[in-house]
Amino acid sequence: ETGVTQSPTHLIKTRGQQVTLRCSSQSGHNTVSWYQQALGQGPQFIFQYYREEENGRGNFPPRFSGLQFPNYSSELNVNALELDDSALYLCASSGRSEQYFGPGTRLTVT
Amino acid sequence: GIQVEQSPPDLILQEGANSTLRCNFSDSVNNLQWFHQNPWGQLINLFYIPSGTKQNGRLSATTVATERYSLLYISSSQTTDSGVYFCAVFPTSGTYKYIFGTGTRLKVLA
Repeated sequence: ETGVTQSPTHLIKTRGQQVTLRCSSQSGHNTVSWYQQALGQGPQFIFQYYREEENGRGNFPPRFSGLQFPNYSSELNVNALELDDSALYLCASSGRSEQYFGPGTRLTVT
Repeated sequence: GIQVEQSPPDLILQEGANSTLRCNFSDSVNNLQWFHQNPWGQLINLFYIPSGTKQNGRLSATTVATERYSLLYISSSQTTDSGVYFCAVFPTSGTYKYIFGTGTRLKVLA
């Protein structure tokens, strides 16, 4: 059984640029959630995808968007990057209830 | 919205000591998970425990959903137990998202 994977591991971008982060869900899981974790804080929910549809969103602006593909993998896109977007971005997949997290992508915006 | 508070915020132990971490939540929940975040940022599943008691080696957890709290017990602590412990709850209100607690930062000294 393959766990949740994320790419890239680290990324450095300039303010105003756009970024795409990727997540492959665990085998058999049809739900993917994305979280942002700023330094020293707990993860904050961005949004969740279930069978290719967004079915829940946290307090993040529209420049945070996502996709889920038929194989249940997912992308997180962030447009017009701001310095405060620097964080660890975590993806979690779930089947019925329990969430399993990937290793995260550390994004630095300069 | 639901509030999730963890205590203590910081904890320093000598190797071999026991500890209890607490998670209080302000509203009813369907699911609750405990995670250990290692120094590299990976969230490791410890327990999926919406109610009752579970044990896994030196770790055990108890959730009393009616009283809105959960406890994580660590016995005979080891230096590898160091890191941040989070509880995350899924509110009954159906917001389709896990809310993470404030975290407990644990350091185990050799």
